[in-house]
Amino acid sequence: ETGVTQTPRHLVMGMTNKKSLKCEQHLGHNAMYWYKQSAKKPLELMFVYNFKEQTENNSVPSRFSPECPNSSHLFLHLHTLQPEDSALYLCASSQGAPGSGYTFGSGTRLTVV
Amino acid sequence: AQSVTQLDSQVPVFEEAPVELRCNYSSSVSVYLFWYVQYPNQGLQLLLKYLSGSTLVKGINGFEAEFNKSQTSFHLRKPSVHISDTAEYFCAVSERGSTLGRLYFGRGTQLTVWP
Repeated sequence: ETGVTQTPRHLVMGMTNKKSLKCEQHLGHNAMYWYKQSAKKPLELMFVYNFKEQTENNSVPSRFSPECPNSSHLFLHLHTLQPEDSALYLCASSQGAPGSGYTFGSGTRLTVV
Repeated sequence: AQSVTQLDSQVPVFEEAPVELRCNYSSSVSVYLFWYVQYPNQGLQLLLKYLSGSTLVKGINGFEAEFNKSQTSFHLRKPSVHISDTAEYFCAVSERGSTLGRLYFGRGTQLTVWP
């Protein structure tokens, strides 16, 4: 399998639930990213990992907890979310070099009820 | 710091008409430039990128873009659009010397093609 794979594609969760989003890449990339995309808003970079180490956290609330066990896998653990957290969550990976660009997954559509 | 401005949030056009989606960037150093396309409920897909060389770059699906350094622009064009080109288009910039090749995205332009 090639590219960036995100699971699940759709997720509905209550505000008291705990769930996790998964991202997997088989491109040999060393950098991975989580983005949040809400309606009518620009893409929001949430977290950046390079060789499993978190290099950026853009003031994301603690109810979002990322995990990167290796360069191929990235998780986003969710707990006690709010309805305004409903969005499309996109994972991306890159070679981590200037000009390499990103490869995106298809996203997880999250609805918090 | 980098910034990207996509001047039009929505562009409606009729099928087979030409289209131009505008992108301007701000940077104090040399940059790489990208256009991505996002179809509904999908991730972003690379359309084309400018790294060096010819300022006219051709991408997938008949799109092309021209890098204009003096105007700090990277406008996306297609001579004849199809209904299937309806999507959101994102311009992005990356500083040549950046760590990780960090991308900075514009807010996106929704292209709607009408029959």
